[in-house]
Amino acid sequence: DTGVSQDPRHKITKRGQNVTFRCDPISEHNRLYWYRQTLGQGPEFLTYFQNEAQLEKSRLLSDRFSAERPKGSFSTLEIQRTEQGDSAMYLCASSASGTTEAFFGQGTRLTVV
Amino acid sequence: KQEVTQIPAALSVPEGENLVLNCSFTDSAIYNLQWFRQDPGKGLTSLLLIQSSQREQTSGRLNASLDKSSGRSTLYIAASQPGDSATYLCAPLGSGYALNFGKGTSLLVTP
Repeated sequence: DTGVSQDPRHKITKRGQNVTFRCDPISEHNRLYWYRQTLGQGPEFLTYFQNEAQLEKSRLLSDRFSAERPKGSFSTLEIQRTEQGDSAMYLCASSASGTTEAFFGQGTRLTVV
Repeated sequence: KQEVTQIPAALSVPEGENLVLNCSFTDSAIYNLQWFRQDPGKGLTSLLLIQSSQREQTSGRLNASLDKSSGRSTLYIAASQPGDSATYLCAPLGSGYALNFGKGTSLLVTP
């Protein structure tokens, strides 16, 4: 068990481009979360999956953002038509059924230029 | 909406000191509270999880207490070391699925 894995670790993109991030949770963790963190702030919740079902989405998740977890294992977060305000650290976390203790990955640092 | 405040925002201490980091939250109807550590540019490392029915939780040199009714949690770090330098974040979990984070306390322990 290597913990929560995120790919890529860093992404630089031009404004207007689409980007996709991947998260591999701890194996057998059926709960998966995405958060966004900007400099000097705590992480902010984006969305939550239980198995393949997306059960909660924050109002922060605009129409340009979409997240999937097709087989209840890994998850992807896509941002379409990126804006400079999307520059942030995108964090993925997972937890096991029966517990709410969340374990985080190392994050994907997105820079939109 | 749950509001989380962490005091102090930053702290610099010499090695060996015992530390107190404070966390307050506005909605006391929480399920549990988790403390995390974050190194610069890295993800979050879970330190301690306190259930709402618990008063405190200990792990090594760390001790976290929870007073749910007053909306407060405290993280004690005993005999601080330079390797403890990081940002410490508290996050209560309410009725939904989202952890609510404060801005954190940035700790620097000097040799």
